[in-house]
Amino acid sequence: EAGVAQSPRYKIIEKRQSVAFWCNPISGHATLYWYQQILGQGPKLLIQFQNNGVVDDSQLPKDRFSAERLKGVDSTLKIQPAKLEDSAVYLCASSLDWAEAYEQYFGPGTRLTVT
Amino acid sequence: AQSVTQLDSHVSVSEGTPVLLRCNYSSSYSPSLFWYVQHPNKGLQLLLKYTSAATLVKGINGFEAEFKKSETSFHLTKPSAHMSDAAEYFCVVSDNYGGSQGNLIFGKGTKLSVKP
Repeated sequence: EAGVAQSPRYKIIEKRQSVAFWCNPISGHATLYWYQQILGQGPKLLIQFQNNGVVDDSQLPKDRFSAERLKGVDSTLKIQPAKLEDSAVYLCASSLDWAEAYEQYFGPGTRLTVT
Repeated sequence: AQSVTQLDSHVSVSEGTPVLLRCNYSSSYSPSLFWYVQHPNKGLQLLLKYTSAATLVKGINGFEAEFKKSETSFHLTKPSAHMSDAAEYFCVVSDNYGGSQGNLIFGKGTKLSVKP
């Protein structure tokens, strides 16, 4: 089966610019996650969707980050305006459902560099 | 709050020798624990998971981990390292109660190098 797809793979922007990332989860997966992985650290959950509803966005910096999952399939994560500290790899993951018993499958990530 | 601590940021072994990657966890509840591997420019892949069944968990590619509640540890081992094992390994605990069920909390990672 096809895995989690993400685009673009790399993005370089200047601070205060905006950027958007796209994720296409595995077909049939109800739960979608966005993680931020700063260099030298483990991934940190930003937001979790169940179908097209938000389950957990407690660690999403809502003053500059936004995410949506229209129609419960693809998702976009936006940063506006970007700061230097947003430089990181943004990972998308999906699972059949949201309980811990269901394995999360990760995409290859988008590496963002803010200059 | 749940957390994991990976005790080594970098481990280097020779091909054919044993691998030990150490992880300690902190949890107020009965935890679910995982090990993920991340190869360069590839997505994270689940190696194995512990969900309160057998304390010795076998995963893919010959890896295994043992859950020790008395030591709050979940160390990852492999009897014989292969060059293809070189990657970054993450110990993960699941925030498995209430509305955050299923959320993964990652350690900082251990980079494994394998020398020929």
